[in-house]
Amino acid sequence: KAGVTQTPRYLIKTRGQQVTLSCSPISGHRSVSWYQQTPGQGLQFLFEYFSETQRNKGNFPGRFSGRQFSNSRSEMNVSTLELGDSALYLCASSLGQEGGEQFFGPGTRLTVL
Amino acid sequence: LAKTTQPISMDSYEGQEVNITCSHNNIATNDYITWYQQFPSQGPRFIIQGYKTKVTNEVASLFIPADRKSSTLSLPRVSLSDTAVYYCLPAGSARQLTFGSGTQLTVLP
Repeated sequence: KAGVTQTPRYLIKTRGQQVTLSCSPISGHRSVSWYQQTPGQGLQFLFEYFSETQRNKGNFPGRFSGRQFSNSRSEMNVSTLELGDSALYLCASSLGQEGGEQFFGPGTRLTVL
Repeated sequence: LAKTTQPISMDSYEGQEVNITCSHNNIATNDYITWYQQFPSQGPRFIIQGYKTKVTNEVASLFIPADRKSSTLSLPRVSLSDTAVYYCLPAGSARQLTFGSGTQLTVLP
């Protein structure tokens, strides 16, 4: 069974631009969660989508948004990029049950110049 | 959400058993205790999960005392490839994972 895939793996943008990251979950998984990892703040939860609906949301500004498609693939969008948005963005998929194991993708390394 | 406390770092030698203890004083009744492993520039990987007493799988054991206020991840006979960050986190009614700072384990030859 193929794992979680994320595209692109690396991305360089400049301040003020917007970016869209993509995540394809493991086949059969209906939940997709997004996390941001930085050296200073560690791993922080952004949001979770389940059956095309946002089910949970972390404490990030509205510049961070996402969506999920009917095939469970998910995209995350960050608008008006700031230098502090430079991070590793991780996507995780699961069956969606409480406390269930989450399977992480390799991440997208975003650098904002 | 329950807050966890782990040692920031630990060193060990190849072939030794490593025990990493995590405290989670206000864990919720329906929370499981889950451990993840993360290598640099990769996503975390699930290692083991338990509710109480002892759980063992092919890579690790997890010991949870009766009061569930702490847990200990045990890695038998570590190798250099076990060098990674290990996260302890409760996972229950909250579907998002709340990662703490984790423990950087360095295995020395």
